[in-house]
Amino acid sequence: DAGVTQSPTHLIKTRGQQVTLRCSPKSGHDTVSWYQQALGQGPQFIFQYYEEEERQRGNFPDRFSGHQFPNYSSELNVNALLLGDSALYLCASTAVSTDTQYFGPGTRLTVL
Amino acid sequence: SQQGEEDPQALSIQEGENATMNCSYKTSINNLQWYRQNSGRGLVHLILIRSNEREKHSGRLRVTLDTSKKSSSLLITASRAADTASYFCATDKSDYKLSFGAGTTVTVRA
Repeated sequence: DAGVTQSPTHLIKTRGQQVTLRCSPKSGHDTVSWYQQALGQGPQFIFQYYEEEERQRGNFPDRFSGHQFPNYSSELNVNALLLGDSALYLCASTAVSTDTQYFGPGTRLTVL
Repeated sequence: SQQGEEDPQALSIQEGENATMNCSYKTSINNLQWYRQNSGRGLVHLILIRSNEREKHSGRLRVTLDTSKKSSSLLITASRAADTASYFCATDKSDYKLSFGAGTTVTVRA
């Protein structure tokens, strides 16, 4: 049983570019959440997807957008990248039947 | 804003000793979860304790929750070098949105 997977592992972009990160949830999970973790900080909630819709959103600008597909996998898109967007982006999945959230290995984004 | 705050920020112990870290939070919760993170990689779920529970055990881990004080503690007994990591508490107000603290960095010396 595969856990949460994310791709790519690392990514380097320049300011102003756009990036797409991908996440596949744990088998049987239908809810996907995205978090941003800056160096030395705890993860910050970006948004959550359930039934292909954004169910909740944290305090992040509209440059951050997402999508959930019918197979429950999800994408995080960030437009007009800023230096401050450099961080570890984590995806977590859960199911209605459980409160535990399982995290993927993360995507390390560096914006130059 | 972060709901939880861990204390201490950093902890250095000898192998075999116990490590205790605390977490305080601000609002009512449905559950509190502890995670471990090694060297900036993904978070590993350790234990979940619900608001109506006071103590849970999992292997060498013991978690307590005091909802009246809005605080939790994580105890790692008989620490090993492999326990060297950052530990985070995360609170869930029953909306599957986790609020994390800044974490406690634990170093276990051989």
